[in-house]
Amino acid sequence: AQSVTQLGSHVSVSEGALVLLRCNYSSSVPPYLFWYVQYPNQGLQLLLKYTTGATLVKGINGFEAEFKKSETSFHLTKPSAHMSDAAEYFCAVSRAGANSKLTFGKGITLSVRP
Amino acid sequence: EAQVTQNPRYLITVTGKKLTVTCSQNMNHEYMSWYRQDPGLGLRQIYYSMNVEVTDKGDVPEGYKVSRKEKRNFPLILESPSPNQTSLYFCASSFQGGDEQYFGPGTRLTVT
Repeated sequence: AQSVTQLGSHVSVSEGALVLLRCNYSSSVPPYLFWYVQYPNQGLQLLLKYTTGATLVKGINGFEAEFKKSETSFHLTKPSAHMSDAAEYFCAVSRAGANSKLTFGKGITLSVRP
Repeated sequence: EAQVTQNPRYLITVTGKKLTVTCSQNMNHEYMSWYRQDPGLGLRQIYYSMNVEVTDKGDVPEGYKVSRKEKRNFPLILESPSPNQTSLYFCASSFQGGDEQYFGPGTRLTVT
């Protein structure tokens, strides 16, 4: 079984401040990990993903995440928040193979204060 | 342009009136899936399909049906909608189940 925990439902930062959104996963096999972003009234868009290889993954819009196996974590960061980053962010886990599925966390809403 | 389309985008209906939400993808993906999104619960999988004529239940399948007669289409059917099915629905597709999924724009359903 696999699961994702995103602690808290809302994070608020000031424009220009560091963004840190936490994600911890549970998986009995090597995981694939994803971060998706959902802007208001839109579908989900992939920010970045980790499958194998380099544990620091860079995505779109200046976001990055680091896979830490020992901590079962995949936290999302961005050095400097922009107003346009305000959205809901979902972490998801899966594994290799045709029979696998994506399991999503409950999501975190990011607000950016001027 | 690679995309997943859903129709309608918004739907208000009454309890018991059968409805279908269509989903189509143009990326030749094997895997398609339906999710519902509710506040505080994230995305929960309703049904998925690994290929034509191969479908299976997700985490919350009660009250829903699907079919996969063509590779590109994966409609979601509510035979007798109830108010607890009021939600935001997303269709998604990928090459395999564990791969990154491409999402449609969503269908906001209200059942009164």
